Amino acid sequence: EIVMTQSPATLSVSPGERATLSCRASQSISTSLAWYQQKPGQAPRLLIYGASTRATGIPARFSGRGSGTEFTLSISSLQSEDFAVYYCQQYSDWPPTTLTFGGGTKVEIK
Amino acid sequence: EVQLVASGGGVVQPGGSLRLSCAASGFTFDDYAMHWVRQAPGKGLEWVSLITRDGGSTFYADSVKGRFSISRDNKKGSLYLQMNSLRIEDTAFYYCAKESLQYFEQWGQGTLVTVSS
Repeated sequence: EIVMTQSPATLSVSPGERATLSCRASQSISTSLAWYQQKPGQAPRLLIYGASTRATGIPARFSGRGSGTEFTLSISSLQSEDFAVYYCQQYSDWPPTTLTFGGGTKVEIK
Repeated sequence: EVQLVASGGGVVQPGGSLRLSCAASGFTFDDYAMHWVRQAPGKGLEWVSLITRDGGSTFYADSVKGRFSISRDNKKGSLYLQMNSLRIEDTAFYYCAKESLQYFEQWGQGTLVTVSS
């Protein structure tokens, strides 16, 4: 099973500042990585797939990069609606290997 | 507009059974593989199960293999998860999700399953 590790667990950022979230895979997954945003009481929402492609309707301030084992999600200028928990998910060599998520990074207001 | 509406959650005793449903609309249901993903309260996301477009193949997380069964009815646009031999650690919100190339393009709102004596 490919283990996904996200850091930091919590990121305190002021509105308007840039946030950078990290996700590391235990083995190479090429660019088979997605990012999701989850707000309290809501289902997750797809932000990024293929490590760097924004999903439909996702603002340009969200960007993803990376390949192999190291990935980042950046939010260029945090808006109030961006404070949430962010998860990465790998889908390399699937099926039959398990789809796995990182533990999440909570972006909170500083 | 894509809609995924999960239902069927509730409180059940350990060892009990529950059947979740997910009603899909706004897209051609049988063009997409479908998944169940769960989230224990206050915890992270865990993939549970996948069913292919025609229902011919199914896959499960090791944690539920042999206890849970995923199925679909393409004529009704519905996805199901039969959960047997439930354990306390199965307590979670269960989300149905529409797949696009192995990631989750759309998610339903989730239904809460509580396993407690």
